[in-house]
Amino acid sequence: RKEVEQDPGPFNVPEGATVAFNCTYSNSASQSFFWYRQDCRKEPKLLMSVYSSGNEDGRFTAQLNRASQYISLLIRDSKLSDSATYLCVGMNYGGSQGNLIFGKGTKLSVKP
Amino acid sequence: ETGVTQSPTHLIKTRGQQVTLRCSSQSGHNTVSWYQQALGQGPQFIFQYYREEENGRGNFPPRFSGLQFPNYSSELNVNALELDDSALYLCASSLDASLKNIQYFGAGTRLSVL
Repeated sequence: RKEVEQDPGPFNVPEGATVAFNCTYSNSASQSFFWYRQDCRKEPKLLMSVYSSGNEDGRFTAQLNRASQYISLLIRDSKLSDSATYLCVGMNYGGSQGNLIFGKGTKLSVKP
Repeated sequence: ETGVTQSPTHLIKTRGQQVTLRCSSQSGHNTVSWYQQALGQGPQFIFQYYREEENGRGNFPPRFSGLQFPNYSSELNVNALELDDSALYLCASSLDASLKNIQYFGAGTRLSVL
């Protein structure tokens, strides 16, 4: 079982729709979580950090449920520019080093 | 832009050859992590360098090796290339190896092994 698993994509939604991505993680030692966005043939870019209390940034809301080892990302009022692959990421700590554990990503296509 | 630069952007090699990829970290950052992203997959951690020392390694064979220089730029070397090494290689820099520092990615080097 992979350490970080995400919804299989792709998600095809109309502009203005609300879309939710889910992610589960298997390593209970993971302490930090992130959502990264990756455009086609580009590098991943940090979208949001997700901490125990969850957080909101404009149209984006991320939630973390440690008991269920579950992370979500909600995008409201989808824009064409939201089309990308969304990567769920955990950070494992070993000594002083933190490496990122990525899910496979979920592809989102927002259509006019 | 993140200020993390990688070179070259694209590379074609043949099986059995060796390759060196380069990464310049963002100004003020002393930690560089390398990742391999195969098509359709998420990036996988290769190793991290902190102040010129390897500071953690993922599940990659020894033919993947690295180096970090006094200016904190870094190299990834892959010997005896295999077809499955074809991937996007990403480096990420962070302020230091502390636990909550954000990693900023370069645009990557796309390696094709024929």
